[in-house]
Parts: sequence; structure tokens; C-alpha cells
Amino acid sequence: DAEITQSPRHKITETGRQVTLACHQTWNHNNMFWYRQDLGHGLRLIHYSYGVHDTNKGEVSDGYSVSRSNTEDLPLTLESAASSQTSVYFCASSDRGNSPLHFGNGTRLTVT
Amino acid sequence: AQRVTQPEKLLSVFKGAPVELKCNYSYSGSPELFWYVQYSRQRLQLLLRHISRESIKGFTADLNKGETSFHLKKPFAQEEDSAMYYCALISSGSARQLTFGSGTQLTVLP
Repeated sequence: DAEITQSPRHKITETGRQVTLACHQTWNHNNMFWYRQDLGHGLRLIHYSYGVHDTNKGEVSDGYSVSRSNTEDLPLTLESAASSQTSVYFCASSDRGNSPLHFGNGTRLTVT
Repeated sequence: AQRVTQPEKLLSVFKGAPVELKCNYSYSGSPELFWYVQYSRQRLQLLLRHISRESIKGFTADLNKGETSFHLKKPFAQEEDSAMYYCALISSGSARQLTFGSGTQLTVLP
């Protein structure tokens, strides 16, 4: 069955370190998204991609970057982790603009 | 800019009671609205979307353009409905981003 997987499930890192969160989907979806989930804020869009080599900034993109070298993967990189980036990160994909999103299980990141 | 507001962070009801989770939106075009649900230790999943006008797990939601609302309702809540619920809006046009509300944690008490 097609799925979307995130790794790692949990990550603890120190302030200033570079961290990369992986997202891999086997739906063959063109659209991929990264959200962060914080209490009181819901899900906020970090970056998104509508296809290979396409990347776009979302609402809270500062301090994050993504790259899309193939259809299946959209890794999220924190260039220099900050405590404010402690959050749960969700990757999602969809096949068309108005199609429902398929979500990964999330990555809980703690920056100490 | 599009915006989704869920005024209640927490909502508790007793089993068998009606439940309504509120969602209001602001958007200048024709929105498409969704409800997503996240059960404990599970991933977010689509509950329903307004264009399909269907009932899922007993939940319904009607788009009211006059009141810019898309409230989620169920006449008789069950304990297994306890979850985090997110209302979401997708814009029309080329940049079809999904914007989420802040979520409502529903607890159904026995």
C-alpha cells in the first residue's frame, strides 16, 4: 500500500546544530508539504512543493529549507536549530491542488 | 489573506449529547473547506469536505457563506469521537494552499 513516512519519529538536538527531517511518500504525489504543530497555533505551513525542483515558502519558513530532487522525497532542514523550533513536524502530500492531504506520523523535535 | 478560526481550544460533552465544533473563515474567493481529525497517537486524517456533502462517522458540516462558517456537528457524541479536530480551507487559484485553524480538542465523557 502507498504511504507517507517520516523519520526520525523523535529527535533531540542542541541549539545551533543543523537537523534534517526526512519525508518519503510512495503515492507518486506531485504536491508535498511540511507543517509544524504547536499548541494554540494548530498547523502552520513551513514549505511546500508542487513538483520536482519546485519549492515555495509557507507562513513560517524562516530558519527552514527544503529541496525536491525527486517525486518521493521532501527533506526539511533546520539550518541552525533554535529552541523556538521545538515542535511536532508533519509532512503531507496530495495529488492535485484540491485533493485531501495524506499525512505522515509526525516527527517530534526537541531543541535544547 | 485567508484565515480559519476555531474559537474553542477545548470542548467537553457527555456521551450521547449533541456536539458542535465551530469554524469560521475569512476568504475573498470561493473556499473549499475540510475537517481533519487526529485521534490519539494517530496521524491526521480527512474527516469530511464540504463539496462531498456526506456524513462521516455521524458528523456533518454545512458551509454557510453568509456567516462564513463551516461548523462540524454530530447529534449523539460517542467516546471514540474524542480527538483533535482541525478545520481547514484551501484557496482557489494557482497557489492552492491549505490553511488550518488552531484546532479543537474534543473530549467525550462517559
